[in-house]
This record gives sequence, structure tokens and C-alpha cells, in this order.
Amino acid sequence: DVKVTQSSRYLVKRTGEKVFLECVQDMDHENMFWYRQDPGLGLRLIYFSYDVKMKEKGDIPEGYSVSREKKERFSLILESASTNQTSMYLCASSASGTGSTDTQYFGPGTRLTVL
Amino acid sequence: GENVEQHPSTLSVQEGDSAVIKCTYSDSASNYFPWYKQELGKRPQLIIDIRSNVGEKKDQRIAVTLNKTAKHFSLHITETQPEDSAVYFCAAAPYNNDMRFGAGTRLTVKP
Repeated sequence: DVKVTQSSRYLVKRTGEKVFLECVQDMDHENMFWYRQDPGLGLRLIYFSYDVKMKEKGDIPEGYSVSREKKERFSLILESASTNQTSMYLCASSASGTGSTDTQYFGPGTRLTVL
Repeated sequence: GENVEQHPSTLSVQEGDSAVIKCTYSDSASNYFPWYKQELGKRPQLIIDIRSNVGEKKDQRIAVTLNKTAKHFSLHITETQPEDSAVYFCAAAPYNNDMRFGAGTRLTVKP
């Protein structure tokens, strides 16, 4: 059974703070993804990674960066949090490497509030 | 990149009726079309998916149809039950799993 976990369910931060959101998967998946979910906008892709130390920008990368030092862990970093980054953040992972598609498994989400 | 549009944004049906949710996509290279269900406070979970070499797939009360020529695909739920109430997301992925999601449909099944 695939398990994707995220470090926090709820997080409250101040404007300008550096924020780290952690995601860990235990199924040796190659692909990992970060989305943000906002009402009426669905899931929007921020960044994704196909391999360790590899990253690709999604549709809304501005204001975010990522780190993947180990295969099982994918971190989303808000360099200087702003109120418009208040959102639900979802991490996902999938098994296949570049060149194919496979089911994405989601973590439980982190609801981030920036005051 | 891929752009996925989903309709309707909200859908209310009576228990036992059918529900249909439609999605269109823009990238003709897309070849994988999953549907996710997200219950309140829970993570999205895959309920059914279809690949481009198949026109229709069924799993008990849910089915998905794909029209590659018209670039649209649909989710059909028959004999709806209250536990089908959730937000449903369609998605489309071309090569390399670069998946894009629709905005979601909130389905309410009234007992």
C-alpha cells in the first residue's frame, strides 16, 4: 500500500518567513510532485521531480523552490511567504520514470495560512 | 502545455440518478486520463483511469469514455448513492507524467 506523508496538516506562518513543506513516500517512486489546491482552481502544479536532484517547473513556480536530495523526500520551500500563498498544498508520487505515465498517489495535504 | 477544462463545477442529483462530468483537453499528445475523487477533508484518490488506446472503461457503477478526435472524456456514475458525494477531478497527461488537472466538480447526491 502506497504511503505518502506530509510533515504538517496545518501550518500558520508570518509574511516574509521561510517555510519548508516536507513530503515523504515509502514506495521507491521515481516521480514526485507538488500542487496547490484552491477553490474553483483545482490542483495546480508547482514543481515536479523525476529523480534525485532533478526538478522541473510546473505552471505556478513563482515564489517557490524545491529540493530533492533523497529519492523518498521532496521538499517545497517558500522563500519569503506571502498572504497569496495561503492554500492547501498537496504532494504526490508515482512510479514511472520519464517517458511514461502512471497513477499519482497523494499525501493528506498541508493547509498553510500566511498572516 | 496541457490545459484541461471541466464541467459542470457543481452537480446535484437525486439518489439513484446518473451523474455525468465532462472534460476537454488541449494537447493531442495526452495519452492518460485519470479521474480522482476527493471527499471532504481527505486526499484525492484515483477511482478510474483510461489510456488513449481504449474508448471506454467500466468499473461497477462508474465508467469513463474517451473521444480522442474531439479531445474530450467523461465520467459516468450510475445509480448514485450519498457516499458518491465528493469533489471529482479529471486530469490529462502526455508523455513523462506531466499531468494537468481540471478545476473540479462538486457532486452532491441527495437522499
